[in-house]
Amino acid sequence: NAGVTQTPKFQVLKTGQSMTLQCAQDMNHEYMSWYRQDPGMGLRLIHYSVGAGITDQGEVPNGYNVSRSTTEDFPLRLLSAAPSQTSVYFCASRPGTGGVRNEQFFGPGTRLTVL
Amino acid sequence: AQKVTQAQTEISVVEKEDVTLDCVYETRDTTYYLFWYKQPPSGELVFLIRRNSFDEQNEISGRYSWNFQKSTSSFNFTITASQVVDSAVYFCALSEAGGGGFKTIFGAGTRLFVKA
Repeated sequence: NAGVTQTPKFQVLKTGQSMTLQCAQDMNHEYMSWYRQDPGMGLRLIHYSVGAGITDQGEVPNGYNVSRSTTEDFPLRLLSAAPSQTSVYFCASRPGTGGVRNEQFFGPGTRLTVL
Repeated sequence: AQKVTQAQTEISVVEKEDVTLDCVYETRDTTYYLFWYKQPPSGELVFLIRRNSFDEQNEISGRYSWNFQKSTSSFNFTITASQVVDSAVYFCALSEAGGGGFKTIFGAGTRLFVKA
C-alpha cells in the first residue's frame, strides 16, 4: 500500500493563480481531510470529507474548495492564490468504522509558496 | 468548542535528560479522544498514541509515557532518557465524538531539541 500520497511536493504560484493539490489514499478510508501547517499555529483543518460526495468546512476554509467524487481522491483547490496561503499542506485519512477514535494517516505534505 | 493548548513552544534538553511536553484541552463532550503525533525533521507526521476519555490509565511504551488527567484536562507526554532522535515537533490533538463531530483539532505543537 502506498498509503496517502500527495502531489506536488513543492509548488510556487503567483498571486491570483489557481491550482489543485492532489491527494489520494489506497486504504479505502472513508474520512479524509486537509490541514495547513504554519509556524506557531500547528495544524489547522481546512476541509474534510466523511465519504464520497460529502464534504464540510473546517477551521480555515476561506479561499479553498474541495470535492470528493471517489473514496480514493480528495483534491484541494486554491481559487485565487494569495501570499497568506503560503504554507505546508497535509492531507490525511482514517477509517470510517470507529470514527473519530481512529488515528489519521498523513501524506508527506505539499510546500506551497505564493509570491 | 474544541481547543488544544500546548503552551511550550520550544524545549531544549541535553541527551539523557527527562522531558515532559504539556497538553491542555477544552471540550464539552463527555466522549472524546486525545492523540499525540510526532513530526521529525523529515516532515512526516507519525501517530504515537490515542487515549479515550473513559480511560485514565497512564501508559508507558519504552521511553515514552503519557499521563492523562481529566480533572485538569491534561494529557502530558514524558520522554525518559531523551535521545537525539527524539528531536521533533510533537502535536497533541483532540477529537470529539458527540454532535456528529468529525473534526480533529491540533495544538500548535512543541518543538523539542535534544542536544548530544
